[in-house]
Amino acid sequence: GAGVSQTPSNKVTEKGKYVELRCDPISGHTALYWYRQSLGQGPEFLIYFQGTGAADDSGLPNDRFFAVRPEGSVSTLKIQRTERGDSAVYLCASSLAGQGTDTQYFGPGTRLTVL
Amino acid sequence: GENVEQHPSTLSVQEGDSAVIKCTYSDSASNYFPWYKQELGKGPQLIIDIRSNVGEKKDQRIAVTLNKTAKHFSLHITETQPEDSAVYFCAASSGDKLIFGTGTRLQVFP
Repeated sequence: GAGVSQTPSNKVTEKGKYVELRCDPISGHTALYWYRQSLGQGPEFLIYFQGTGAADDSGLPNDRFFAVRPEGSVSTLKIQRTERGDSAVYLCASSLAGQGTDTQYFGPGTRLTVL
Repeated sequence: GENVEQHPSTLSVQEGDSAVIKCTYSDSASNYFPWYKQELGKGPQLIIDIRSNVGEKKDQRIAVTLNKTAKHFSLHITETQPEDSAVYFCAASSGDKLIFGTGTRLQVFP
């Protein structure tokens, strides 16, 4: 079946602009995760959804970052007043039930460049 | 919180040789340890994982070992092939999120 998909694949924006990144998880997966990967680093956790609710948002760096999952499927990561330091690849993953030992399947990522 | 260290950062081997990547973790409550392979421009792909109730798992040319007492786990790739060239990440989880190592760039020369 289809894997996790993310759009757009690339996004270039100017400092101070607002951006939205979209994630479509694997059908039937109740858990959805956002990670951020800077060049040469491993992915870093941002936020985790169980169904429609954010169960853990401890990784969001500041209040410019916000994510929603209104119907328990597609999720949108929103970044306000973008800064050059926000440039990274934003990865989305989903798992079947969100248990700590569930496999997380990753999408291809959205490469965000803030000029 | 959990901290995962990964070594080496780069590894070059001749085709057919074995490759070993090692990781250590800090949180004794961690109970799930996946390994991901990431190719350029793609998302991480799970290649093997191990849960804390076993010490070793093997899948064809890939094996993972876990030492809970020492809090370290390792990835072993035997009979390496050029298509094994990629960046490999270890991770640990004790709850809802994965904590990743910094990655190992593996190059397999024909």
